[in-house]
Amino acid sequence: AQKITQTQPGMFVQEKEAVTLDCTYDTSDQSYGLFWYKQPSSGEMIFLIYQGSYDEQNATEGRYSLNFQKARKSANLVISASQLGDSAMYFCAMRSKNTGFQKLVFGTGTRLLVSP
Amino acid sequence: DGGITQSPKYLFRKEGQNVTLSCEQNLNHDAMYWYRQDPGQGLRLIYYSQIVNDFQKGDIAEGYSVSREKKESFPLTVTSAQKNPTAFYLCASSKAGASYEQYFGPGTRLTVT
Repeated sequence: AQKITQTQPGMFVQEKEAVTLDCTYDTSDQSYGLFWYKQPSSGEMIFLIYQGSYDEQNATEGRYSLNFQKARKSANLVISASQLGDSAMYFCAMRSKNTGFQKLVFGTGTRLLVSP
Repeated sequence: DGGITQSPKYLFRKEGQNVTLSCEQNLNHDAMYWYRQDPGQGLRLIYYSQIVNDFQKGDIAEGYSVSREKKESFPLTVTSAQKNPTAFYLCASSKAGASYEQYFGPGTRLTVT
């Protein structure tokens, strides 16, 4: 079965500092994709970054980067130079070949609070 | 502007009534999805559709029904058989393929009393 684990219910960071949000995953598939989404208090889910299981380089999108360690089955999100607007819930998710790539399995999320 | 719309934002119903949540997309995406989110939890897949006139059950389909008569539309009906219908419902769409992200609508918060 596919599973995503986010062990940090909440994280605090000061503005302009970097923060790492942890995500580990469990799958027997060799082909899968990992996603990070941001959910502000308004509720919509905003796509941040994607990493494919065969991608050799870590994905980066602006201030977001994904620290992909395949052997350890971890896909941590790094946010550099945190901003007040980064305060939100963050969800790690996975799609895999075993489920036809249609199902996106989510973790329980990490709430990030950025302080001035 | 392209995107996904869900209406209404808040919905209140009495127990025993069926209710239909709207989801429309103008992104020309083939695949559409319905998720449920409960407080402090991640999203759980209710139903998904990869093509018009076809849909599959997700992990928690009991008490829900869907239709996909048009590419742009994927309404979700919460039936009276759903034991705990109060939740936040999110609709999403994506291109077909493993690496494509899902785009989400703003969600509908359903309260059943």
